[in-house]
Amino acid sequence: KNEVEQSPQNLTAQEGEFITINCSYSVGISALHWLQQHPGGGIVSLFMLSSGKKKHGRLIATINIQEKHSSLHITASHPRDSAVYICAVRPFGNEKLTFGTGTRLTIIP
Amino acid sequence: ETGVTQTPRHLVMGMTNKKSLKCEQHLGHNAMYWYKQSAKKPLELMFVYSLEERVENNSVPSRFSPECPNSSHLFLHLHTLQPEDSALYLCASKWTGGNYGYTFGSGTRLTVV
Repeated sequence: KNEVEQSPQNLTAQEGEFITINCSYSVGISALHWLQQHPGGGIVSLFMLSSGKKKHGRLIATINIQEKHSSLHITASHPRDSAVYICAVRPFGNEKLTFGTGTRLTIIP
Repeated sequence: ETGVTQTPRHLVMGMTNKKSLKCEQHLGHNAMYWYKQSAKKPLELMFVYSLEERVENNSVPSRFSPECPNSSHLFLHLHTLQPEDSALYLCASKWTGGNYGYTFGSGTRLTVV
């Protein structure tokens, strides 16, 4: 079992819908990252969280440290949001990231 | 462009070939990483360089040989690869002096034939 579990694995939605992607992890962490990977392969860092909530444009990331859970929300989704969203955690005392397998999001016009 | 540049973007090589992947960053970061991404698997850390010293080799076969000549450049030398080595190879960098995020390159899509 992977230390980082994401759900759903695949998500297809209509343009404009509110999107939620979930990430659960099993170890104590110092930070959690949300990453976006477009079909070309390059990865963009969206958020780094250690507590609470962060917002950037239409993207919102939340984390509940006690429940070891994070969510990534996209409001007013758009076809250009179609990508793989990856959750990664940095365990305490460790510089290495542990990655989830990603959630493939497809937004249909 | 993220500030981390990888070349080439695509590479097809035979099992007897020798090739190198290159990663370059001018972000002032002091740590650089090689990751492997195979289909339907999480990213796997291969090597970590901090201040040009290799600080981690994550049980990677010797047919992969990293080189970090300075803090801005990282290479991955490849020789006698196997078809199962076909994957996306991603480079990342970060500043380790605080709670900073990672910057990733666009990756090199490697196909071993």
